[in-house]
Amino acid sequence: NAGVTQTPKFQVLKTGQSMTLQCAQDMNHEYMSWYRQDPGMGLRLIHYSVGAGITDQGEVPNGYNVSRSTTEDFPLRLLSAAPSQTSVYFCASSSFRRGDTEAFFGQGTRLTVV
Amino acid sequence: LAKTTQPISMDSYEGQEVNITCSHNNIATNDYITWYQQFPSQGPRFIIQGYKTKVTNEVASLFIPADRKSSTLSLPRVSLSDTAVYYCLVGGINDYKLSFGAGTTVTVRA
Repeated sequence: NAGVTQTPKFQVLKTGQSMTLQCAQDMNHEYMSWYRQDPGMGLRLIHYSVGAGITDQGEVPNGYNVSRSTTEDFPLRLLSAAPSQTSVYFCASSSFRRGDTEAFFGQGTRLTVV
Repeated sequence: LAKTTQPISMDSYEGQEVNITCSHNNIATNDYITWYQQFPSQGPRFIIQGYKTKVTNEVASLFIPADRKSSTLSLPRVSLSDTAVYYCLVGGINDYKLSFGAGTTVTVRA
């Protein structure tokens, strides 16, 4: 049981390049989400999904796309990277259990856009 | 989502008890209180969750007064490895979007 796995762990992009951050979970969780964390700040929600085929925007969605074709995977796409997207990205998953807000997080992807 | 307020930082020494208080004056009837811990270069990790009174597990205790407008995370006998950022979150049954504030940076010294 690996939990939430994110790849890659580190990435450097040039401005304007595109890339996909991968996230996979093996806990059969329905809810998955992407957050970004900037230095000295808490996590901010980018996009989330409440099940396969269903996604929605979070607090800071601009510049990012997501899709959820399977329960296990929730990739985050940067269409045209900008220096403002330099951050640490975390993927999380949780179940739909009533009243249970526990989420499991991946180890993060540290992205630098130059 | 109910807004939370917690201290920016706290210092402690090994073996002491650390208590972090979180204010959430606008907490809704269906909201639960959850605490996460984050070490440098890692994702947050769930510590404890509660609705009212006291909850205890092998890591921490969570104290919630009757009015539920605040809560206190208690870390007993901390060690250097407890140095981390601690986040207080409040959310309800229909809130699948976790809202993290800046958290409280706890530094444990020898």
